[in-house]
Amino acid sequence: SQTIHQWPATLVQPVGSPLSLECTVEGTSNPNLYWYRQAAGRGLQLLFYSVGIGQISSEVPQNLSASRPQDRQFILSSKKLLLSDSGFYLCAQGGWGSSNYGYTFGSGTRLTVV
Amino acid sequence: GQNIDQPTEMTATEGAIVQINCTYQTSGFNGLFWYQQHAGEAPTFLSYNVLDGLEEKGRFSSFLSRSKGYSYLLLKELQMKDSASYLCAVRGSDNTDKLIFGTGTRLQVFP
Repeated sequence: SQTIHQWPATLVQPVGSPLSLECTVEGTSNPNLYWYRQAAGRGLQLLFYSVGIGQISSEVPQNLSASRPQDRQFILSSKKLLLSDSGFYLCAQGGWGSSNYGYTFGSGTRLTVV
Repeated sequence: GQNIDQPTEMTATEGAIVQINCTYQTSGFNGLFWYQQHAGEAPTFLSYNVLDGLEEKGRFSSFLSRSKGYSYLLLKELQMKDSASYLCAVRGSDNTDKLIFGTGTRLQVFP
């Protein structure tokens, strides 16, 4: 079965500091991977997706970037955080080959920029 | 463009039935998903519809009409633990498998 490891669970960072969130996947190869952000009381906004190593597509212009250095590793970064970067960040893996046809989500990182 | 609409909030009583609607306008369609999300947690998969009609899974059912761009999630015999947000998501017809989510419906179940 597929498992997504995402860390850290919570993070408090000052404005202007850098950010690195990591997501690793087990139990599959060449997965489609996604980064979503959820602002308080809002839906999930797709930030980036990747269909393979080194392949990154950005959905919205923003202060963030993503990288996929290995098949099962997806990293979300920022050089200088803004207050508006606060939110709940979720890594997800597309699971169309699985029996339930759903995404597998990581447990999420709650980022507060202060 | 892509637009997915759901009511923001709903309330219901324990033991009752509630229907959460979702309408969508997307540039392609290859399936509609419903997820449940408890506060502070990741979403969990509930249902998937790609053909018109009703899919039933225990207390939860989901309906799809592709011609109307419409889906609903039906929750029966509501329990207090069903208090959560319910997210409607549409998969496009490209090969990226990406899901576009609605803003979610926060359901509160009262005793």
